[in-house]
Amino acid sequence: QSVLTQPPSVSGAPGQRVTISCTGSSSNIGAGYDVHWYQQLPGTAPKLLIYGNSNRPSGVPDRFSGSKSGTSASLAISGLQAEDEADYYCQSYDSSLSGSTFGGGTKLTVL
Amino acid sequence: QVQLVQSGSELKKPGASVKVSCKASGYTFTSYAMNWVRQAPGQGLEWMGWINTNTGNPTYAQGFTGRFVFSLDTSVSTAYLQISSLKAEDTAVYYCARDFEQLAAYYYYYYMDVWGKGTTVTVSS
Repeated sequence: QSVLTQPPSVSGAPGQRVTISCTGSSSNIGAGYDVHWYQQLPGTAPKLLIYGNSNRPSGVPDRFSGSKSGTSASLAISGLQAEDEADYYCQSYDSSLSGSTFGGGTKLTVL
Repeated sequence: QVQLVQSGSELKKPGASVKVSCKASGYTFTSYAMNWVRQAPGQGLEWMGWINTNTGNPTYAQGFTGRFVFSLDTSVSTAYLQISSLKAEDTAVYYCARDFEQLAAYYYYYYMDVWGKGTTVTVSS
C-alpha cells in the first residue's frame, strides 16, 4: 500500500486530454516535497517525464504537463496519442519513511 | 551519452545469492548517487534505497534491510546490488537509476533522471 495514491487506470480517445492524480499527505506532497512523474512503456524501463512538479526534461513533448497543489499532484496529457499508452508513476519524498516513495501507478489506455 | 548498463538476467534457487551490476558511462560516476528500484511481476515500482557514490554509504528503504547490500567499484564506475538468502518473492526486475540533484529557489530536490534497462532475477527451485 503506497503512501501516494493514484487511480489504477484511466482512459481516453486519441486527441483527448486526460489527467492522472497523485494524492499524498502532510508527510510528503503536503510537506512541500517535489513530485516527479515517470512513464513506463510496455516491457521497458521507466523514463523521467516530469521533474520538480512541472518541469519537462529535454525531449518530452509539451503535451505532458504537471502541477501540484496542497497534498496532491496531477499529470495532464493533452492530444492523446496511441504511443502514450503506458503506466505512469508519481514519486516524492516522504519524511515518515525517510526516503523516496512511488505511487502505485496508473495504466493509461488510449481507446 | 549518459547510460547505465545492467547485467543480464539471473535464474537462482531459493537460498542462493545474486549480485546485479550497473555500469555507468558518459558522466563522472562519483558526482551522482545511485538508486535501486524493484518491480515485481505485474506490480508497481518500489524504491529500495540509494548509495552515495562518493562515500559508499548506503541507505536502505524499509523492507530492504538485512538481505540487501548496495556496493560500489568506483574504479570501473559500477554499482552493485547483492541479495542473499533468495526467496521466491524476490523474483522481480531490478533497476538502477541515477539520482539527479536539482537546485530550486532555495533548496535542493532529487529525482531519477537516467535508468538502466533492468535486470530480471527469477528465484525458483
